Amino acid sequence: EAGVVQSPRYKIIEKKQPVAFWCNPISGHNTLYWYRQNLGQGPELLIRYENEEAVDDSQLPKDRFSAERLKGVDSTLKIQPAELGDSAVYLCASSLGWSSGELFFGEGSRLTVL
Amino acid sequence: QKEVEQDPGPLSVPEGAIVSLNCTYSNSAFQYFMWYRQYSRKGPELLMYTYSSGNKEDGRFTAQVDKSSKYISLFIRDSQPSDSATYLCAMRDTGNQFYFGTGTSLTVIP
Repeated sequence: EAGVVQSPRYKIIEKKQPVAFWCNPISGHNTLYWYRQNLGQGPELLIRYENEEAVDDSQLPKDRFSAERLKGVDSTLKIQPAELGDSAVYLCASSLGWSSGELFFGEGSRLTVL
Repeated sequence: QKEVEQDPGPLSVPEGAIVSLNCTYSNSAFQYFMWYRQYSRKGPELLMYTYSSGNKEDGRFTAQVDKSSKYISLFIRDSQPSDSATYLCAMRDTGNQFYFGTGTSLTVIP
């Protein structure tokens, strides 16, 4: 069974440019998470989806970040415009939902903003 | 105070040693407890997953949860150079939200 798939793996952009990350969760997983991980830190939640509904986006910087999960499957995270401080690894994760404590991550998208 | 505290290390041990990694937490609502292994430039990989207090063993790995002390541990027996990675502890609350430690960097020296 395929795991969580993310793309692109690496992205280098100039500041003020837009960037988008894509995630395909494990089949059947209702809950999808986007995390940001800085060097030497644990993942920090940006947004959580239950099916297609964003149920926790309190940590998402809404002035420049947006996310969507159409049809409750794939998800896209966008940053526009990017700032130097956005350089980090953006991790997508999925789980079966409330009945499961198992959370599975993708390989991450490493963003460098110059 | 952070919800989850983890000693960042780094930890360096000789091959074959027993490794002990630990996390403490403050939230009594945490129900699920996990350990992840993260290699450089890779995503976190779920290593161990437990629901209740007690021990869970999987090969060379043992996860231990003590809810009364709000303390979890991961033991690695007969450590191998391939175990060199960052280990993250994680916990899930009743609201389907996950909380992570900062990770402990482990190096196993051949």
